Amino acid sequence: QKEVEQDPGPLSVPEGAIVSLNCTYSNSAFQYFMWYRQYSRKGPELLMYTYSSGNKEDGRFTAQVDKSSKYISLFIRDSQPSDSATYLCAPPVGGTSYGKLTFGQGTILTVHP
Amino acid sequence: NAGVTQTPKFQVLKTGQSMTLQCAQDMNHNSMYWYRQDPGMGLRLIYYSASEGTTDKGEVPNGYNVSRLNKREFSLRLESAAPSQTSVYFCASSEVAGVGGSYEQYFGPGTRLTVT
Repeated sequence: QKEVEQDPGPLSVPEGAIVSLNCTYSNSAFQYFMWYRQYSRKGPELLMYTYSSGNKEDGRFTAQVDKSSKYISLFIRDSQPSDSATYLCAPPVGGTSYGKLTFGQGTILTVHP
Repeated sequence: NAGVTQTPKFQVLKTGQSMTLQCAQDMNHNSMYWYRQDPGMGLRLIYYSASEGTTDKGEVPNGYNVSRLNKREFSLRLESAAPSQTSVYFCASSEVAGVGGSYEQYFGPGTRLTVT
């Protein structure tokens, strides 16, 4: 079993929809959760991160962690065509000082006008 | 600041040929990483360097070697390329993250490698 699992999609939604992207993980040592966004033919870039359980909001994006069920979610409100990208969840291995990440497979999202 | 730069952007090799992928960062980061990305597999860590002078294997190191040339540069070498190494290769760098610090990695634009 991979340490981080994501549904690869692809996911296609109309502009303005609420998007829910999800990851499950198996390593209970993960304490810190990151979402990266990758546009086509580009390198990934950090979108947002959150510690432990609970929600974190940043504009139209909300990251949610449920440690009891080992489930991570990213919600996008009022989705825009510019949100079309691959979204990767990436918990760092807990306890390391240099930030070694474990990436999910990524979910491909298309927002059509 | 250029951030993380990678050369070349594209490369086609024949089976058995060798090549070195170059990576450099100008953010004074201590840690550097090499990943490969294949459809449906996400990003998989090949090798990493926690600090200058150290390198360690990641998830998929077979067929690769690395050199941390100095704090700025981290190269990836394929000694005898195989079709299974056809992939997109990304280099990344990050600060040493202490407790409560950021684990953010900054990625280069990638090298698209095809081995025939």
